Amino acid sequence: EVQLVESGGDLVQPGRSLRLSCAASGFTFDDYAMHWVRQAPGKGLEWVSGVTWNSDNIAYADSVKGRFTISRDNAKRSLYLQMNSLRAEDTALYYCAKAPGAHTSTWYFFDYWGQGTLVAVSS
Amino acid sequence: EIVLTQSPGTLSLSPGERATLSCRASQSVSSSYLAWYQQKPGQAPRLLIYGASSRATGIPDRFSGSGSATDFTLTISRLEPEDFAVYYCQHYGSSLFTFGPGTKVDI
Repeated sequence: EVQLVESGGDLVQPGRSLRLSCAASGFTFDDYAMHWVRQAPGKGLEWVSGVTWNSDNIAYADSVKGRFTISRDNAKRSLYLQMNSLRAEDTALYYCAKAPGAHTSTWYFFDYWGQGTLVAVSS
Repeated sequence: EIVLTQSPGTLSLSPGERATLSCRASQSVSSSYLAWYQQKPGQAPRLLIYGASSRATGIPDRFSGSGSATDFTLTISRLEPEDFAVYYCQHYGSSLFTFGPGTKVDI
């Protein structure tokens, strides 16, 4: 059974940093691209970032480009999101999501999702 | 950048009825890159349909997807009580992923 468990969410002040983690199990982690998707309270879904199986391709939403960094450690079966210069508008539930394939040619939807970790940015 | 519009915003139906949800793209898109998700309150989204019309693993056949170019449809043939939720369409293109604003299906 595919399991994705996010952690690291917290209440932080604007301008501060936070690192999210996602622990994966139930599938061969390094065979698949992975993504982060967020959902502000009471709002819709917003894709944040994605990384291919070997990190050779990485993409970001314009809203986080230059502030967030996605990474993965295949040996630890883990996905990460380093979030710097946090803003109030980054407040959201952050989901880790698995892609159906390894590369950008096959990462075009999200077939499994974690339960999310909450990031709140407020002074 | 492609914008997805979903209609209606809310669909009020009863169990056993047919639900028809629309997703319209601001420009023509490949149906290969169109997916639908279901999200219930307090839960993560769940993949229903990918490639516009292919059901994901374990999805009942009362869910079906269709469409092409700019107009896509998710149909639930006979609503079950557990189908009352929010439904999102999603597109991938030019290294960007976009979601529609969602359609809430309620009783």
